[in-house]
Amino acid sequence: DAGVIQSPRHEVTEMGQEVTLRCKLISGHNSLFWYRQTMMRGLELLIYFNNNVPIDDSGMPEDRFSAKMPNASFSTLKIQPSEPRDSAVYFCASSKDRLWGYTFGSGTRLTVV
Amino acid sequence: DQQVKQNSPSLSVQEGRISILNCDYTNSMFDYFLWYKKYPAEGPTFLISISSIKDKNEDGRFTVFLNKSAKHLSLHIVPSQPGDSAVYFCAALGGNNNDMRFGAGTRLTVKP
Repeated sequence: DAGVIQSPRHEVTEMGQEVTLRCKLISGHNSLFWYRQTMMRGLELLIYFNNNVPIDDSGMPEDRFSAKMPNASFSTLKIQPSEPRDSAVYFCASSKDRLWGYTFGSGTRLTVV
Repeated sequence: DQQVKQNSPSLSVQEGRISILNCDYTNSMFDYFLWYKKYPAEGPTFLISISSIKDKNEDGRFTVFLNKSAKHLSLHIVPSQPGDSAVYFCAALGGNNNDMRFGAGTRLTVKP
């Protein structure tokens, strides 16, 4: 198993542009989590899905952020329009069972200039 | 609202000595706690966990202690090795939620 795969690894975009981050889950995992890592807040949960259904999106900063899970193995996080303060590393993680913890992808480093 | 707090952003120890990383939480519904380790340019990886029914869990050089009354847990690494240098995140799960809440992380540097 290749683990959780995120793409792209790095994204540099101009303010106002749309950004789409992608995540492929581990086969058999039924929960998907999007986190954002910043110096001040560490790993901040944005949204999570269970069996393709969004369960809690209270961590999504504002309406510019949206996430989808069109099938059991894939998810996207979209920011439109992007702003410089969105610059961070975005991690996706998947889980089969809460007690086994999460498997994280390698992250997408987003820079909005 | 930071429900999981790691108040020390960094820690430096000498190789061979003990590293103690601390974590506090505020939500009394948390019943499962985990530590993750993160190297640069990689995602966090699971290190060790503890259920609230225990107060200690040991795995090789790593031991996690839980003090429920104080809502405090700690990770002990002994002996520390240079390869342990990384950012360590404390995380908690609990109640009806399946989502994990993380602390801000502590950067551990083990000097040879």
